[in-house]
Amino acid sequence: EDQVTQSPEALRLQEGESSSLNCSYTVSGLRGLFWYRQDPGKGPEFLFTLYSAGEEKEKERLKATLTKKESFLHITAPKPEDSATYLCAVQAKAGNTGKLIFGQGTTLQVKP
Amino acid sequence: DTGVSQDPRHKITKRGQNVTFRCDPISEHNRLYWYRQTLGQGPEFLTYFQNEAQLEKSRLLSDRFSAERPKGSFSTLEIQRTEQGDSAMYLCASSSMGTGLSPETQYFGPGTRLLVL
Repeated sequence: EDQVTQSPEALRLQEGESSSLNCSYTVSGLRGLFWYRQDPGKGPEFLFTLYSAGEEKEKERLKATLTKKESFLHITAPKPEDSATYLCAVQAKAGNTGKLIFGQGTTLQVKP
Repeated sequence: DTGVSQDPRHKITKRGQNVTFRCDPISEHNRLYWYRQTLGQGPEFLTYFQNEAQLEKSRLLSDRFSAERPKGSFSTLEIQRTEQGDSAMYLCASSSMGTGLSPETQYFGPGTRLLVL
């Protein structure tokens, strides 16, 4: 069964304190791995798509990396506005449905 | 703004009532997905459409749930005889179908928060 596990569930950082979020996955043929940001009461906002082991994507203070079993979201020198829940999801090749299987998310709080 | 829109944003209803939600996808997208998200959890897949055809339904989608996408444009999700366990955020997402091997990025709407009393 396809599955996604994110850790930690919650993370508190001081402004400027860099860290990483982990997303471990099992999938019967990876079509794509996605990172989303979700603010309270809002829908997920797309951040990155990865599909090949060794691939890296960057956007401002965020960098996403991918291996055959996990993905990391590195946050460099975070600011309070980076506080949000970060969701990881996988999409399988089988069936071409495109449906996403999500982890439970990591809630990040950055204190000034 | 040409993003995904959902209506209403919030709905409070009494147990046993029927509710209907609407989703308007990004105009050029041919796929539309519905997900449900409860507090502290990631979204869970419910169903999806390719153009007007409903191609997959999750086991989470009981007989009280029905979804349509007439003419392959907007979609509606109806819940009949609501139960307190239906309280959740209902999310809609849209995408363009890829080749089947390339990743298919989905863009989400703001969601409809349902509270069943």
